[in-house]
Amino acid sequence: EAQVTQNPRYLITVTGKKLTVTCSQNMNHEYMSWYRQDPGLGLRQIYYSMNVEVTDKGDVPEGYKVSRKEKRNFPLILESPSPNQTSLYFCASRPLGYNEQFFGPGTRLTVL
Amino acid sequence: SQQGEEDPQALSIQEGENATMNCSYKTSINNLQWYRQNSGRGLVHLILIRSNEREKHSGRLRVTLDTSKKSSSLLITASRAADTASYFCAGAGGGNKLTFGTGTQLKVEL
Repeated sequence: EAQVTQNPRYLITVTGKKLTVTCSQNMNHEYMSWYRQDPGLGLRQIYYSMNVEVTDKGDVPEGYKVSRKEKRNFPLILESPSPNQTSLYFCASRPLGYNEQFFGPGTRLTVL
Repeated sequence: SQQGEEDPQALSIQEGENATMNCSYKTSINNLQWYRQNSGRGLVHLILIRSNEREKHSGRLRVTLDTSKKSSSLLITASRAADTASYFCAGAGGGNKLTFGTGTQLKVEL
C-alpha cells in the first residue's frame, strides 16, 4: 500500500531532551515536507526537501533540523525541544512536477 | 505567513444541505488545492484548480477561483454526515510550495 508513515504517533517529552520523528514514504517521491499544525494557525511548513541531500527552510524552521540521506526517509530532529514546539506534526510527500501532496497520519508531540 | 484565510471558521448544517467554504489568499499562485482532514488525522487531497481555470467539478465538489479577487470557494452539494471534517485551502506558489489556510470546520448533522 502506498503510504507515508510517521513514528512515533504520540510523544510526551521534557524540555531539552533531543528527539527525532521519523517519516518514510514508499512511493519513490522526490519531494518531502514537514508541517506543524496549531489551533487557529492551520498548517505551517517547517522544512522541505526536493530530493536526496537537498533541504530548505520553510516558514517556521527555528528549533528544528532535518536530513535527507535516503529518498524514502525525511526525519525531523528537535535538538532541544521547548514547550512552544508542542504541536501536531505532519510529514508529506509528492513526486516532482506533481501537485497533490500525500500526508502521513501525524505525530502529536507534547513538550513539558 | 499564512496564504489563506478561510471563512467561515466553523459551519454546521443538516444532512442534504449544501456547504460553502471560502478562501482568500495574498500572493500569486499557480494553483489552489483543497484538502480535507478528519479529526486529528492526516490531510487528504480533494481537488485542484489551476490559476487559468475558473471552475472545476469533482463528484459532489465544486470549486471556483477568482484570481482578480484572490479568492476561491468550495461547495459540497447534498452533504452527508461523513463529510464532517475540517477543510483547508492551500495555495501553490513558486516551486509549488503549498501555503495553507486556517481551515473551516464543517459539521453535518443527521
